[in-house]
Amino acid sequence: QKEVEQDPGPLSVPEGAIVSLNCTYSNSAFQYFMWYRQYSRKGPELLMYTYSSGNKEDGRFTAQVDKSSKYISLFIRDSQPSDSATYLCAMDTGTASKLTFGTGTRLQVTL
Amino acid sequence: KAGVTQTPRYLIKTRGQQVTLSCSPISGHRSVSWYQQTPGQGLQFLFEYFSETQRNKGNFPGRFSGRQFSNSRSEMNVSTLELGDSALYLCASRSSGGTGELFFGEGSRLTVL
Repeated sequence: QKEVEQDPGPLSVPEGAIVSLNCTYSNSAFQYFMWYRQYSRKGPELLMYTYSSGNKEDGRFTAQVDKSSKYISLFIRDSQPSDSATYLCAMDTGTASKLTFGTGTRLQVTL
Repeated sequence: KAGVTQTPRYLIKTRGQQVTLSCSPISGHRSVSWYQQTPGQGLQFLFEYFSETQRNKGNFPGRFSGRQFSNSRSEMNVSTLELGDSALYLCASRSSGGTGELFFGEGSRLTVL
């Protein structure tokens, strides 16, 4: 079993929809949680970075962390075609100096 | 502020050859990590360097090696290339010792024929 599980999709939604992306993890030592967006043939771009349980909002994006359930989510409001990309969750214990990534969810926002 | 720069962006090699990839981190960042990304395995950690010292290493064979220079620039080398080494190699840098946000370059896409 992988340390971080993420549904690969693809997930197709109409423009303006609310998108929910999720990851579960098994290592309780993970303390830092990130979401990256990766466009085709580009490197991952950091979207959200959170440390504690709870919600963090940045524009149309909200990251949610539930450490008790070992579950993190990324919500995208008013989705746009430009949001079409692969979304990767990533986690860090803070001591291992490396990130553990989910496999990524491919999102397609249609007009 | 310039981002993480990787060179070359694309390269094609044949089996048995070796390759060297280069990464210039964001100015002021002392930690540089390397990841391999493939469609089947996703992003897998190769190694991290901090102040010219390898601080952590992933589960890759010894054919994969790296180093970091005093100006924080880093190189990774893959010797005796295999077809399975075809991948996007991503370099990332971060500012603090171990808990800062990780910023990625655009990657070097290696094709092994």
